[in-house]
Amino acid sequence: DPKIIQKPKYLVAVTGSEKILICEQYLGHNAMYWYRQSAKKPLEFMFSYSYQKLMDNQTASSRFQPQSSKKNHLDLQITALKPDDSATYFCASSQDRLGEQYFGPGTRLTVL
Amino acid sequence: SQLAEENPWALSVHEGESVTVNCSYKTSITALQWYRQKSGEGPAQLILIRSNEREKRNGRLRATLDTSSQSSSLSITATRCEDTAVYFCATENNNRIFFGDGTQLVVKP
Repeated sequence: DPKIIQKPKYLVAVTGSEKILICEQYLGHNAMYWYRQSAKKPLEFMFSYSYQKLMDNQTASSRFQPQSSKKNHLDLQITALKPDDSATYFCASSQDRLGEQYFGPGTRLTVL
Repeated sequence: SQLAEENPWALSVHEGESVTVNCSYKTSITALQWYRQKSGEGPAQLILIRSNEREKRNGRLRATLDTSSQSSSLSITATRCEDTAVYFCATENNNRIFFGDGTQLVVKP
């Protein structure tokens, strides 16, 4: 059974719209993360949460907002989408902030 | 310019051979991480080596860290076809993490 679920697997959006990427982990971990991987750049760390609190934000744009409704959920809301936001977004989790991270399968976002 | 960079860009070996991927970085670090990413999958963290450590092992994997030369290496012994993947290093400092572009490793039967 998958331990980290990301939904949807593929997502197509139009410029200017808003989307929410879903992440749920069933590993009992206390820390969760978002990363982005686009074709033109290295993997990028975006956010880290610990016990549902934002710990690190390495994303310049406020258009990206994590949302943690439950301890094992960390969704990513992206507003005013741009073509440059096209990428695969990975969610990850670890037992605590210093622990080994486990990654989900990713959501591939394409903005037209 | 990037803060972490792997070399070579690509490697090809035969099963059973050993291989080493190198990483150079440009900032002070609290830790350096090595990841592997197979085609179509998310990354997998392999080894995290802290700045006060010089070597760390995980099964067939061995990572070294030289903070004086700002470099790290990841060695894989007795390679297998399933080791085929992109290998990334990532620097960590004050909870900021930066990845390199990766080294593509192909292990042939």
